[in-house]
Amino acid sequence: EIVLTQSPGTLSLSPGERATLSCRASQSVSSSYLAWYQQKPGQAPRLLIYGASSRATGIPDRFSGSGSGTDFTLTINRLEPEDFAVYYCQQYGSSWTFGQGTKVEIK
Amino acid sequence: QVQLVQSGAEVKKPGASVRVSCKASGYTFTSYGISWVRQAPGQGLEWMGWISAYNGNTNYAQKLQGRVTMTTDTSTSTAYMELRSLRSDDTAVYYCARAPLLLVRGDFRPMGYFDYWGQGTLVTVSS
Repeated sequence: EIVLTQSPGTLSLSPGERATLSCRASQSVSSSYLAWYQQKPGQAPRLLIYGASSRATGIPDRFSGSGSGTDFTLTINRLEPEDFAVYYCQQYGSSWTFGQGTKVEIK
Repeated sequence: QVQLVQSGAEVKKPGASVRVSCKASGYTFTSYGISWVRQAPGQGLEWMGWISAYNGNTNYAQKLQGRVTMTTDTSTSTAYMELRSLRSDDTAVYYCARAPLLLVRGDFRPMGYFDYWGQGTLVTVSS
């Protein structure tokens, strides 16, 4: 099973700043099968990025994904108040796994 | 619009079984898969398994093998997840999510992500 490790655990930033979230895999992941989700308290997760870098429908262009192999990054440019949430990366190989999450909180 | 509507909250005793339903609308049910993901209180997301609504193929998380069964009813566009021999650490919010498929050499394969999610079903296991 591929283990995904996200860092940092918590990111304290101010609105307007840039957030850089990391997702590292225990073995190589096909870029086609790396996704990012956003989850706010009491809500279901929302797909942000699939295929490592493709934005899902309706996702603002301040969200971008990059990376390959074992290292992937989610970048949020110019944080908006609604972006403070928990973010999960997820991979699909022979099965699916999620990272443990990064919380982006208001500084 | 795509919607996944799940059944209501459940309270079960240890050792019992629970069945959660997920009714899909707004898209062709058999052209997608459904995955189930759970989230224990204050914890992260845990993938439980996947079923193809196209042909009924399943893929379960190893830790749940033997306790979980996922099925679909294409006549009602509904997916079901049954979890047996419940324990207190099965207490969680259970989500269904739509899993897009890609036709590859005559077979539909998962595209690897989940684009629409149900609202979640809280399952509480307590004596």
